[in-house]
Amino acid sequence: EVQLVQSGTEVKKPGESLKISCKGSGYTFTNYWIAWVRQMPGRGLEYLGIIYPLDSDTRYGPSFEGQVTISADTSNSTAYLQWSSLRASDTAMYYCARKYSDSYSEAFDIWGHGTMVTVSS
Amino acid sequence: SSEVTQDPAVSVALGQTVKITCQGDSLRMYYASWYQQKPGQAPVLVIYGKNNRPSGIPDRFSGSNSGNTASLTITGAQAEDEADYYCSSRDISGNHHYAFGSGTTVTVL
Repeated sequence: EVQLVQSGTEVKKPGESLKISCKGSGYTFTNYWIAWVRQMPGRGLEYLGIIYPLDSDTRYGPSFEGQVTISADTSNSTAYLQWSSLRASDTAMYYCARKYSDSYSEAFDIWGHGTMVTVSS
Repeated sequence: SSEVTQDPAVSVALGQTVKITCQGDSLRMYYASWYQQKPGQAPVLVIYGKNNRPSGIPDRFSGSNSGNTASLTITGAQAEDEADYYCSSRDISGNHHYAFGSGTTVTVL
């Protein structure tokens, strides 16, 4: 079964650092881009950025460049999203998603279950 | 960057047909993909490309495209189709940037 398994719920204080993970299984991890998507409480989906694990080519959404860091470790088929200094406004559910593409189309076909991050003093 | 926009909410009677639209300049160049999200759950891909359904998605879901508008149609809506639906498209820059619409809440009456 193709799946993305994300790390568990996090509760942090403002200013703390954090790294959450997304482990792929059931497919060749290096062959697909992995995206990160934010969903703030009661709000819609926002694209943070994407990484190609084979060569770590990483692109960030315009609003998130410099705010987060996306990385991947091919030795354990895992993508990461990290913050160096959390803010209360980072409180959200974070999803990873695999990007499928062919000659005509592309889509985020497999999603992780999400990691809830709460930042509160 | 570019945006894709959606109407915030729509309702449909049980068994009837509803069409959700998504508009944006990027849709003239790239197909939209559509995601269903139920409360407390991760999004699920329902339509992608010209009109493709992933395995397990009922054939009452279909997609279409015209100019700068992509549409998702549910023909014979069921109670379990009540959810938020998001469209997504590659950014018009084509540089692996993507945008999601703000979502449409579908209520089945």
